[in-house]
Amino acid sequence: GENVEQHPSTLSVQEGDSAVIKCTYSDSASNYFPWYKQELGKGPQLIIDIRSNVGEKKDQRIAVTLNKTAKHFSLHITETQPEDSAVYFCAASVANQAGTALIFGKGTTLSVSS
Amino acid sequence: KAGVTQTPRYLIKTRGQQVTLSCSPISGHRSVSWYQQTPGQGLQFLFEYFSETQRNKGNFPGRFSGRQFSNSRSEMNVSTLELGDSALYLCASSDRDRGNEQFFGPGTRLTVL
Repeated sequence: GENVEQHPSTLSVQEGDSAVIKCTYSDSASNYFPWYKQELGKGPQLIIDIRSNVGEKKDQRIAVTLNKTAKHFSLHITETQPEDSAVYFCAASVANQAGTALIFGKGTTLSVSS
Repeated sequence: KAGVTQTPRYLIKTRGQQVTLSCSPISGHRSVSWYQQTPGQGLQFLFEYFSETQRNKGNFPGRFSGRQFSNSRSEMNVSTLELGDSALYLCASSDRDRGNEQFFGPGTRLTVL
């Protein structure tokens, strides 16, 4: 089955710096890759996603890149702010008629200091 | 639109008991998925329901079961609770007709003593 590895497990940056989180997946059939942000006491919040027919997607300060050949995808956050501090999860899935079972990485704890 | 709601938010049970958790998806969403989150194992997929039918199942023992009602609300049940079942149980809803995005609720924190 699918396996998702996520690095680093913790990341500390200064406000205004960029942060990059990387994930690799094992199942070449995976075609949907969302990123979630989880704050303390809350459920994961979808922040951006990418499908396998696209190499890059951007939404304001957040961007995701996908390399299907190497089976890895990355989250880029620019101009980080203290409110970006949270745990970030990547996930991979084979989205088809049967459904979408997300397989998650172990998470990255991002700390942004001002 | 209101988000995904889960009840109860917190639950304390003892070993051997059973528990039922409830999830109400976003209005119009007919797919509901359940996940278990623990510090050691992270987020793990339990099962997915669509139109009252289980469409996908993760690698969990048969003690974990679920169902979905005609109004898309879903319940999951865990029987014969074990200490290791202590976790945050998350429900996510999606609108299959509009893509694969899953939107999570706040979760139910289950503690097994």
